[in-house]
Amino acid sequence: NAGVTQTPKFQVLKTGQSMTLQCAQDMNHNSMYWYRQDPGMGLRLIYYSASEGTTDKGEVPNGYNVSRLNKREFSLRLESAAPSQTSVYFCASNLLLTGPNQPQHFGDGTRLSIL
Amino acid sequence: AQSVTQLGSHVSVSEGALVLLRCNYSSSVPPYLFWYVQYPNQGLQLLLKYTTGATLVKGINGFEAEFKKSETSFHLTKPSAHMSDAAEYFCAVTQAAGNKLTFGGGTRVLVKP
Repeated sequence: NAGVTQTPKFQVLKTGQSMTLQCAQDMNHNSMYWYRQDPGMGLRLIYYSASEGTTDKGEVPNGYNVSRLNKREFSLRLESAAPSQTSVYFCASNLLLTGPNQPQHFGDGTRLSIL
Repeated sequence: AQSVTQLGSHVSVSEGALVLLRCNYSSSVPPYLFWYVQYPNQGLQLLLKYTTGATLVKGINGFEAEFKKSETSFHLTKPSAHMSDAAEYFCAVTQAAGNKLTFGGGTRVLVKP
């Protein structure tokens, strides 16, 4: 029972490089989310996709783009990485259609360092 | 706009002692509240959630939380700490529209033998 799978688990980039973080869920969830986690700041929403074919900005979208490839997959792209984007990135999913009380299920994260 | 404040970024407790983690929220509409736990190098796992109904919510691993509307609080407790409770705990709130979670800054729990 995989749940939410993120790849890669670790990555080091140089400033200006681009990269795509991958996320896939096998729980037939319709909504997916990307967060970043920084010390003392909890998790902050970057982008989310309420359903296949839709994406919306969260709290900190600048410098990122997303693609909802299909119902299972939701990718996050850094076009030109900056040191401020060094963080741990989490993907999450839930079944939003049944109501806002449905908890989100999280992947194990991607630890990204930008030099 | 909704917000969540967790009082204390670090809490140290002795094994067997009470664990109390504080969470206060602001929300213009009735909130849905969650507590998540994060073990080292892992993602977040749901401990418990409050939606409607009973204000005392029981979760996994012996944790429970009480929703107090008058105090806009949702504090997390466990009567007796275990070494395995060492982790970081996050309080989160969402409202009816969109299910976007807003997280508190997190509280890291250290359990001393």
